[in-house]
Amino acid sequence: GENVEQHPSTLSVQEGDSAVIKCTYSDSASNYFPWYKQELGKGPQLIIDIRSNVGEKKDQRIAVTLNKTAKHFSLHITETQPEDSAVYFCAASPLGAGGSYIPTFGRGTSLIVHP
Amino acid sequence: EAQVTQNPRYLITVTGKKLTVTCSQNMNHEYMSWYRQDPGLGLRQIYYSMNVEVTDKGDVPEGYKVSRKEKRNFPLILESPSPNQTSLYFCASRPGAGGRYEQYFGPGTRLTVT
Repeated sequence: GENVEQHPSTLSVQEGDSAVIKCTYSDSASNYFPWYKQELGKGPQLIIDIRSNVGEKKDQRIAVTLNKTAKHFSLHITETQPEDSAVYFCAASPLGAGGSYIPTFGRGTSLIVHP
Repeated sequence: EAQVTQNPRYLITVTGKKLTVTCSQNMNHEYMSWYRQDPGLGLRQIYYSMNVEVTDKGDVPEGYKVSRKEKRNFPLILESPSPNQTSLYFCASRPGAGGRYEQYFGPGTRLTVT
């Protein structure tokens, strides 16, 4: 089955700095890679996703890059703000026939943005 | 407001006492899933459903049951809870049309089994 490794487990930055979280996956059949943000006491919320036919995707201060050859993908947050403080999860999965979808999640990165 | 709701949010029970955690979504999504979240392990899928009366196992289905009698509801049933099922549980839904896979998560149910 799929195995997803996520690093670092904790990331502390100053407001305005950039933050990068990296994930590696093992199953070459995986072709969908979402990132979720989880604030304290809440459920995960999708912030950006990428499919294997695209190398990079941006949405304002957030970007995701994918290297299928090396089997790794990264989340980049620029100009970090205190409200970016949360736990971030990556996930990887092949998109199955008929719509089946069993994602494998990384263990999470706790991002702390200091004012 | 589009949302996934779960009840109860907190539950403390004893070993062997059957319980049900409800999940409901108002977005007319075809797909629904249950996850458990444990410290240091991320989220793991328990069961998922692709439509009414269609369910299948995820990565960690042992000790759990689900049903999908209506499109909007997807309850999680623990027939005989054990302490190793103490966890934070999330329900999620996603659209089925157009190859969209973004999931919408509920607020979570924290379950403690003593």
